[in-house]
Amino acid sequence: NAGVMQNPRHLVRRRGQEARLRCSPMKGHSHVYWYRQLPEEGLKFMVYLQKENIIDESGMPKERFSAEFPKEGPSILRIQQVVRGDSAAYFCASSPGQGGTMNTEAFFGQGTRLTVV
Amino acid sequence: DAKTTQPTSMDCAEGRAANLPCNHSTISGNEYVYWYRQIHSQGPQYIIHGLKNNETNEMASLIITEDRKSSTLILPHATLRDTAVYYCIVRVAGTGGFKTIFGAGTRLFVKA
Repeated sequence: NAGVMQNPRHLVRRRGQEARLRCSPMKGHSHVYWYRQLPEEGLKFMVYLQKENIIDESGMPKERFSAEFPKEGPSILRIQQVVRGDSAAYFCASSPGQGGTMNTEAFFGQGTRLTVV
Repeated sequence: DAKTTQPTSMDCAEGRAANLPCNHSTISGNEYVYWYRQIHSQGPQYIIHGLKNNETNEMASLIITEDRKSSTLILPHATLRDTAVYYCIVRVAGTGGFKTIFGAGTRLFVKA
């Protein structure tokens, strides 16, 4: 059972370009979370998605950032018109569907390191 | 989710037990304690979680105080590969998602 897969592992973009980060959750997981980690800092929650729905995007910047998790295919974090401050590691995590009192852990991918030059 | 407090860094000798403390004095009755670690530049790795009973798995043990205001992660025989940042987080099970707050964590240095 493959873990959470993120690609690309490393991404270099020039200022003003678009960055697309992909995340394939673990098999059977329908919940996806995106986090951003700046150098020497902890992970910051960005967005939580279920299939075809954004559940919580309270950590997403208001502009230029968007996320989706279509019925088929991976979750995509899109950053438009990137700036140098977007340079960071972006991690995706997935967990099974949650209901009732189920307590579960989330499993993380290896991240995409975005460098804006 | 409740906030947690951890020491910034700790040292441990290889082969000895590493005891990593965490304070979560505002934890609610339905919040679980989770531990993750992040080895340099890798994705966070799940270690263990618990509600109020002590828990043990192949990686570590989790000791939660009776009042649940603090907990300790124990790595029984630390190795050099256990050098990492360890995050203690609390969250309510079964609610909408893993919108967890990762603080700065404890940077554990295991030394030969």
